Amino acid sequence: ETGVTQTPRHLVMGMTNKKSLKCEQHLGHNAMYWYKQSAKKPLELMFVYNFKEQTENNSVPSRFSPECPNSSHLFLHLHTLQPEDSALYLCASSPGGTGDSPLHFGNGTRLTVT
Amino acid sequence: QKEVEQDPGPLSVPEGAIVSLNCTYSNSAFQYFMWYRQYSRKGPELLMYTYSSGNKEDGRFTAQVDKSSKYISLFIRDSQPSDSATYLCAMSARREYGNKLVFGAGTILRVKS
Repeated sequence: ETGVTQTPRHLVMGMTNKKSLKCEQHLGHNAMYWYKQSAKKPLELMFVYNFKEQTENNSVPSRFSPECPNSSHLFLHLHTLQPEDSALYLCASSPGGTGDSPLHFGNGTRLTVT
Repeated sequence: QKEVEQDPGPLSVPEGAIVSLNCTYSNSAFQYFMWYRQYSRKGPELLMYTYSSGNKEDGRFTAQVDKSSKYISLFIRDSQPSDSATYLCAMSARREYGNKLVFGAGTILRVKS
């Protein structure tokens, strides 16, 4: 397995459910990211982890809770979401956790909140 | 005013055409410029990376940066149906100026055979 792998590819959840998104990178990178992609909007940075330490939380509501147990794995725990949270959630990694470091993206999890 | 402006399209061209995709930006501190390509139901993939001003060519693709006009372009020569995708521009400044990567909203390109 190479690159950045995200599971599941699709997720439908109710507003009272708890679910988790998983991301794994096989590139030996030190930084991992969560982005939200909504139609016709720029990618929104949610969280950045550099060497397992969170270095960026872009004012994300507490119903999204990230976890980074090591440099290769990243989770996004979801609870009591709202319908407006429906979007494509993309995980990315990069060699360094700075803006000049090119990102390698997974194929995303398409989340629908009902 | 958005930091990065990108026409969402869709831009529809015949096969073989030269395609020009553009972004404008407001932050004069931006130094690093990238273009990502995103196919339907896939994540974005890095297509071109340039530092500061000038041109960079890779096969049928040319990235151009004009810092004086705060304008970047991606040219695709001899466009193919397989080039149909959404193209995202992204840029960042040096660390002392924030260094966060900022994306445009993406331009949808359709190349008709």
